[in-house]
This record gives sequence, structure tokens and C-alpha cells, in this order.
Amino acid sequence: QLQLQESGPGLVKPSETLSLTCTVSGGSISSDSYYWGGIRQPPGKGLEWIGSIYYSGSTYYNPSLRGRVTISVDTSMNQFSLRLSSVTAADTAVYYCARRFRITKAFENWGQGTMVTVSS
Amino acid sequence: QSVLTQPPSASGTPGQRVTISCSGSSSNIGSNTVNWYQQLPGTAPKLLIYYNDQRPSGVPDRFSGSKSGTSASLAISGLQSEDEADYYCAAWDDSLNGQVFGTGTKVTVL
Repeated sequence: QLQLQESGPGLVKPSETLSLTCTVSGGSISSDSYYWGGIRQPPGKGLEWIGSIYYSGSTYYNPSLRGRVTISVDTSMNQFSLRLSSVTAADTAVYYCARRFRITKAFENWGQGTMVTVSS
Repeated sequence: QSVLTQPPSASGTPGQRVTISCSGSSSNIGSNTVNWYQQLPGTAPKLLIYYNDQRPSGVPDRFSGSKSGTSASLAISGLQSEDEADYYCAAWDDSLNGQVFGTGTKVTVL
């Protein structure tokens, strides 16, 4: 059964870069049927798509975050990574990794999420 | 930044039918399929409906989805206490070239 696990620091200082790694187990990140993505949820608020990446390295980013977000993939480690630069308190959220089926564009599998707080 | 609009809340008694609407535009719901997610308290979202009206394996058939024009709906028939959760619609947006989520609806079982 496919599983996604987020890892990264729970606390990031303002203006610094938030870095998260999503490790995939029980399936290959190199499958041509799926994209891999990041979604976040500020405390008490709704879901916001951050961006997605294909195993080839092709990416799509949320326009509201473009310029600050970079998603990369490491097929040898079966991982993908998300970096968000110049963070502010508004970036405080639970960050989820998810697998999206290419045809339906549905996020079929989600990680448990990791809380990231931006504070000095 | 949500471009899909949902009512903030919906409620019903056990056994009732509850419907949640999701309103979008021609660039998202009007030209792409809609997916629905259920988020139980303190947990990650779970795919509930894909391709407008398809249920993944394991999702009870009392959950159903539909789409018409630039709007979509999720219906829960025979409401149960375990259905108390937040529900989000989502679709691809051709103008943004990205995924958009609805504002979310909290379902309460009275």
C-alpha cells in the first residue's frame, strides 16, 4: 500500500527557507501515471495547492506562490522535496504531500501532514 | 485564494440527506472534472469522489457527486455521525494552470 511521509523542521524563522521532504514507500515515484504534489492548510483554514511535479521533473506551481516555491524529485531515493523561500507568518500551516492521478487529477493518496510554524 | 465557493456549513439529523454545493467558473468546473475530499477532525483529507461522480473503492454509496455547467454538488444520503467532517471540492483551473480547492463545508450531524 502506497504511503507518503513528510519530514522537515517544525519551526522556521521569518525570511528563511522552508524545506520539506516527502518520502514515498510502497510504490515508485517514477510511475508515468502520477504527479506528486504539496498542499497546505493554515490553522483553522482551508486547503491550498502549492504545486506538483512529474517524475521527469516537469512542474506546476500555484501562481500565488510562484517565485518562492521550488519542487524537485529524486527518483533514486523515491522522494520529492518542496522548498518555500522568504517565509512569513502567513506560511504557517500543516503541509501535506500527496499523489495525484494524472488522468483524473485527483489526489488519491495523502501523507499525514506536518505542522510548520514560522516564528522568530 | 479559493476560487471555488462552498457554503461554510451544512447540517442534518441521522438518516437525513445533506447536499453541499460548489460553484466555480468556465475555466475550472466548466471545463474540467470535479473531485471531492473528506477531512475528518485532525486527519489528512481523503478522496471521496473523483471524475464528478465516481467513488473510490471503499467509499460508501451513500456519497454521490454530480456536476452541471460551472457547479457541482456532493450529496450524503442516510447521514451518519461518522460523516461529521469538512468537505472540499477541487478542480483543475485552465486559466491558473493549477489545482484549485473549494472554501470547504463543515458538516454537522445534529
